[in-house]
Amino acid sequence: RKEVEQDPGPFNVPEGATVAFNCTYSNSASQSFFWYRQDCRKEPKLLMSVYSSGNEDGRFTAQLNRASQYISLLIRDSKLSDSATYLCVVNLPFNNDMRFGAGTRLTVKP
Amino acid sequence: EPEVTQTPSHQVTQMGQEVILRCVPISNHLYFYWYRQILGQKVEFLVSFYNNEISEKSEIFDDQFSVERPDGSNFTLKIRSTKLEDSAMYFCASSAPGDSNQPQHFGDGTRLSIL
Repeated sequence: RKEVEQDPGPFNVPEGATVAFNCTYSNSASQSFFWYRQDCRKEPKLLMSVYSSGNEDGRFTAQLNRASQYISLLIRDSKLSDSATYLCVVNLPFNNDMRFGAGTRLTVKP
Repeated sequence: EPEVTQTPSHQVTQMGQEVILRCVPISNHLYFYWYRQILGQKVEFLVSFYNNEISEKSEIFDDQFSVERPDGSNFTLKIRSTKLEDSAMYFCASSAPGDSNQPQHFGDGTRLSIL
């Protein structure tokens, strides 16, 4: 099983749509989880951390299910500027290292 | 907002030559990383560095690779004898100390092209 697995997409949605991305991780001892976004040929940028109780930042909602080792990201009211690749990132236990999923590509169309 | 800076933005090198990629992490960060991303592929971990030594390295980080923090601000990645397959985007990242894992902050990368 891959350390971090994501649906690669692509997801093509109209403006205003709600879209959800899923991610699973293999190490049950992982403690920290993040969503990053990456624009074409740019560096990954932190979008949000994922907390155990779930958390929301504007139009973005992240959820964590430790029992299923599953993380999700929900984007409401999609904007054209949301078009990017979304990377699920999970830490390795006992050190500060992170592992990246392959990313899910989102295209929001007018 | 403090940021990680990388130089050069693009490096073109002949196969077999040595290359050094440079990074200046965020000043109060203590953990440093190098990643690479081959065009169209995922971000791959290369190496992590803490307390002046390598914490962990991946299978990609073989004897041709080395890292150094020569002066307390710079963090460098050296590839001794470059191969065509080393062509990729190389990202440096750093993270702050903390009780739980802190998110990593990335530089905008160095595009390495091996001819």
